[in-house]
Amino acid sequence: GAVVSQHPSRVICKSGTSVKIECRSLDFQATTMFWYRQFPKQSLMLMATSNEGSKATYEQGVEKDKFLINHASLTLSTLTVTSAHPEDSSFYICSASRGGAVTGELFFGEGSRLTVL
Amino acid sequence: SQQGEEDPQALSIQEGENATMNCSYKTSINNLQWYRQNSGRGLVHLILIRSNEREKHSGRLRVTLDTSKKSSSLLITASRAADTASYFCATVYGGATNKLIFGTGTLLAVQP
Repeated sequence: GAVVSQHPSRVICKSGTSVKIECRSLDFQATTMFWYRQFPKQSLMLMATSNEGSKATYEQGVEKDKFLINHASLTLSTLTVTSAHPEDSSFYICSASRGGAVTGELFFGEGSRLTVL
Repeated sequence: SQQGEEDPQALSIQEGENATMNCSYKTSINNLQWYRQNSGRGLVHLILIRSNEREKHSGRLRVTLDTSKKSSSLLITASRAADTASYFCATVYGGATNKLIFGTGTLLAVQP
């Protein structure tokens, strides 16, 4: 299957700093990528849809100035958690679909665990 | 919220037994997918069933879809300890959006 790489897998930062998480599709072009957030023992909650060459579409309740998404190329999307606080600690997972629409399976990265002290 | 619900939330069985997980969703869908997540890892796609399909098989997995009841089930036959994981259903909604929305998940523990 297709491979999506996510980096870093774990990051610990101090409150007030910004953290960037990268999501790369290694063997296919992904015009659309999705960012999810998962709290312990809970499901994945969609944060935003990242579209190559255009602005991301955020879900209701997700602060776009807090979670900056950049999809500058067909193989890379980044999520930057700005001025991180302890409540931002979570497991962030990206996924990508072949083509532009989710008509088939998504390919997921291994996730990034963010801990804000 | 469009998020679907799964039951049971947790399921513990012995190796060799079958495991059945159910998923209910709220609006019309294009397709429904099942994913598996090992603890602290990303998700792995298991199977996709389209809205015009009623049943699908893949190895030890059997998925059914009842669009009239807005529900789906995942059956894992002859379970193994390695099947221990969380299982999520996810639906793609039609219309202008093509987002994959995940259900609440079932935590399956298979005891050796």
